[in-house]
Amino acid sequence: NAGVTQTPKFQVLKTGQSMTLQCAQDMNHNSMYWYRQDPGMGLRLIYYSASEGTTDKGEVPNGYNVSRLNKREFSLRLESAAPSQTSVYFCASRRTGGTGELFFGEGSRLTVL
Amino acid sequence: DQQVKQNSPSLSVQEGRISILNCDYTNSMFDYFLWYKKYPAEGPTFLISISSIKDKNEDGRFTVFLNKSAKHLSLHIVPSQPGDSAVYFCAASAGTASKLTFGTGTRLQVTL
Repeated sequence: NAGVTQTPKFQVLKTGQSMTLQCAQDMNHNSMYWYRQDPGMGLRLIYYSASEGTTDKGEVPNGYNVSRLNKREFSLRLESAAPSQTSVYFCASRRTGGTGELFFGEGSRLTVL
Repeated sequence: DQQVKQNSPSLSVQEGRISILNCDYTNSMFDYFLWYKKYPAEGPTFLISISSIKDKNEDGRFTVFLNKSAKHLSLHIVPSQPGDSAVYFCAASAGTASKLTFGTGTRLQVTL
């Protein structure tokens, strides 16, 4: 029972390099999210996708792009990485109805030098 | 504008005692509230939730209280155990289908 799977778990980039964080969920959830966690800042929403084919900006979208490839997959791309994007990134999917809880992946630690 | 606030960055409680974690929100559209627990190097895990039609929800040692007029919720852990040591985030949304906004977290340490 995989839940939400993120890759890679660790990545070091140089300023200006690009990379894509991959996320997949196997729970048939409609909505998916990308958050970043920074010390003292909590979890801040970067982008989310309420359903397949739609994406919306969250609190901190600058410097990022996303693709909802299909119902299972939601990727986050950094086109030109900056040191300010050093963070831990979490992908999540959300059950609609019931407890409405988010299920999180284990996180991807990104360092931009 | 921080719509969900956790004003205590840290809390230390003795094993067996009650832990009370607090959360305030400003957006009156929020009607669904959740608490998450996070251990280092892991993703946050869901703990307990409450909708605005209730003022209390209990699950084992965990109880969440909601005071809508004060826009305040709290998580009570009784009795506290060393394994409860983690960072706790509260989160809120307008309905169960919309985006969740998180607070900055409170680090709970349960001492022996």
